[in-house]
Amino acid sequence: KNEVEQSPQNLTAQEGEFITINCSYSVGISALHWLQQHPGGGIVSLFMLSSGKKKHGRLIATINIQEKHSSLHITASHPRDSAVYICAVPLYNTDKLIFGTGTRLQVFP
Amino acid sequence: EAQVTQNPRYLITVTGKKLTVTCSQNMNHEYMSWYRQDPGLGLRQIYYSMNVEVTDKGDVPEGYKVSRKEKRNFPLILESPSPNQTSLYFCASSLLAPPVAYEQYFGPGTRLTVT
Repeated sequence: KNEVEQSPQNLTAQEGEFITINCSYSVGISALHWLQQHPGGGIVSLFMLSSGKKKHGRLIATINIQEKHSSLHITASHPRDSAVYICAVPLYNTDKLIFGTGTRLQVFP
Repeated sequence: EAQVTQNPRYLITVTGKKLTVTCSQNMNHEYMSWYRQDPGLGLRQIYYSMNVEVTDKGDVPEGYKVSRKEKRNFPLILESPSPNQTSLYFCASSLLAPPVAYEQYFGPGTRLTVT
């Protein structure tokens, strides 16, 4: 069983739709990262959170430490949101990050 | 501008020909790491470094070497590349190592093809 699992693997949406991407993990963590990988390949950090909720523009990330689950929401989705979204968690008491396999989102006009 | 740079961005090479992919960061970060990304497998850690002269193996270190002689640079060396090392490679850095929660900065990626 993967230590970090994302769902869905692929997601298509019409512009304006509300998007939810889920990440579940089985290890104890100090924080969770959400990353965005553009079609060109570059990876940028969107959020790092250890509790509650964070918001940046149309993006909202939530985490429930007890349930070992995080969600990334995109409100009023736009074609420029099309990307692969990756969650990552540090393994507690190690120097490593482990990554989900990503959710590929396509938003059509 | 805070950034992680990698070179080259694209490389096609032949089996057995030694190559080096450079990585440099300008943020005085202590932690640097190399990952490879393959379809369906996500990002997997190759090697990481906690600071100058401190490196350690990640999950898939076979066939790779690294060095950290200066804080800003963390080159990835393939002494004898093989086709199974064809992949997309990312260098990343953060102020401190996980599990301390700091933002990760990624380089633009190097697409390597070994024939």
